[in-house]
Amino acid sequence: EPEVTQTPSHQVTQMGQEVILRCVPISNHLYFYWYRQILGQKVEFLVSFYNNEISEKSEIFDDQFSVERPDGSNFTLKIRSTKLEDSAMYFCASSREQGANGYTFGSGTRLTVV
Amino acid sequence: QKEVEQNSGPLSVPEGAIASLNCTYSDRGSQSFFWYRQYSGKSPELIMSIYSNGDKEDGRFTAQLNKASQYVSLLIRDSQPSDSATYLCASGVAAGNKLTFGGGTRVLVKP
Repeated sequence: EPEVTQTPSHQVTQMGQEVILRCVPISNHLYFYWYRQILGQKVEFLVSFYNNEISEKSEIFDDQFSVERPDGSNFTLKIRSTKLEDSAMYFCASSREQGANGYTFGSGTRLTVV
Repeated sequence: QKEVEQNSGPLSVPEGAIASLNCTYSDRGSQSFFWYRQYSGKSPELIMSIYSNGDKEDGRFTAQLNKASQYVSLLIRDSQPSDSATYLCASGVAAGNKLTFGGGTRVLVKP
């Protein structure tokens, strides 16, 4: 069964450093998303991406965050200057159709900011 | 603030019994509803989607939607220890892409 692949599975970074989280969505999917889940809290929407541009973003997704699809397969989330409160699981997801039809989530990247 | 609310649990269920999970949502514009299962430290896994009022059955799972009451539920029949997980309710707007998640209900199935 097709999978959404995320790397790395765990990233530890120092506060103020830049991190790039990587995702390979399912190959025929057109819509891409990033969510995060702080330990013990809800899964929160960050951003959706379609046709090489952001289609929607949340209040969390401020100027410190950016997304990119640098080639035909990867989808990345960059955090420019990490803060302690950015520590969370980050999930990439993809879907073939527009609208909330149910995503396939990747296995996640646990980001720890120290 | 558009919210999805769930009882955090834990909901303790004997093996073989029915687990009943509930969820309410505040956004009347929500058109699609999902139940995800999440094991500790893992990503959410879609188990059910429902879009119309009424019941939808898939194997041991039945989702129920009542848009007038803004209420979604999930029944797990013949609960197994492997069903022990956190169950996340999520809602989406037809014209948009994002999902709004509830905090999840932790289910413990005891042998």
